[in-house]
Amino acid sequence: DQQVKQNSPSLSVQEGRISILNCDYTNSMFDYFLWYKKYPAEGPTFLISISSIKDKNEDGRFTVFLNKSAKHLSLHIVPSQPGDSAVYFCAASAAGNTNAGKSTFGDGTTLTVKP
Amino acid sequence: DTGVSQNPRHKITKRGQNVTFRCDPISEHNRLYWYRQTLGQGPEFLTYFQNEAQLEKSRLLSDRFSAERPKGSFSTLEIQRTEQGDSAMYLCASSLAWQGLDTQYFGPGTRLTVL
Repeated sequence: DQQVKQNSPSLSVQEGRISILNCDYTNSMFDYFLWYKKYPAEGPTFLISISSIKDKNEDGRFTVFLNKSAKHLSLHIVPSQPGDSAVYFCAASAAGNTNAGKSTFGDGTTLTVKP
Repeated sequence: DTGVSQNPRHKITKRGQNVTFRCDPISEHNRLYWYRQTLGQGPEFLTYFQNEAQLEKSRLLSDRFSAERPKGSFSTLEIQRTEQGDSAMYLCASSLAWQGLDTQYFGPGTRLTVL
């Protein structure tokens, strides 16, 4: 059973518009969430994270929103740029456990930003 | 460059052969992770180390897989008697876990092809 789900395999947006990538999770023990971006032939690159004590975290053009009651998070990219075209992975971990740290990943959403 | 490095970047081997991959983490990071990624999926956790101690292994890690981090610095992942199903991207990540917040930084990966 997949504990982190990204239900949209792909998303296409116009340059300058907003990109919204969604992620759902099932494990209520998850309390730290991350977004990674991945280009072909490279490893995932950390983008932004959020702890469960917050409901929003912003870094430049990137904002992550967390809705704990719905077990849902989203990544907003505004404005979208062609260089943002990549695969975006949502990941979650249970930070409260001293032996934790491993992240559970979704299967990714391929974002294409058209010029 | 002080990022995570992995060697080799690509490995092609015949079924039944042994292979070994190396990961050099970011120097001050105390945690090191191994993940496996297949096409269309997100990274799957294999194992992780805190300093030189291997703290957790996934059930995905069969007896043919072994990982070491002898001095708490670099790590090796060995696969014995490789099978075609082992073909995947093997990703290494490192982190400096602090107060339970564990942001992992990934290397470029080693792509294994078993013929």
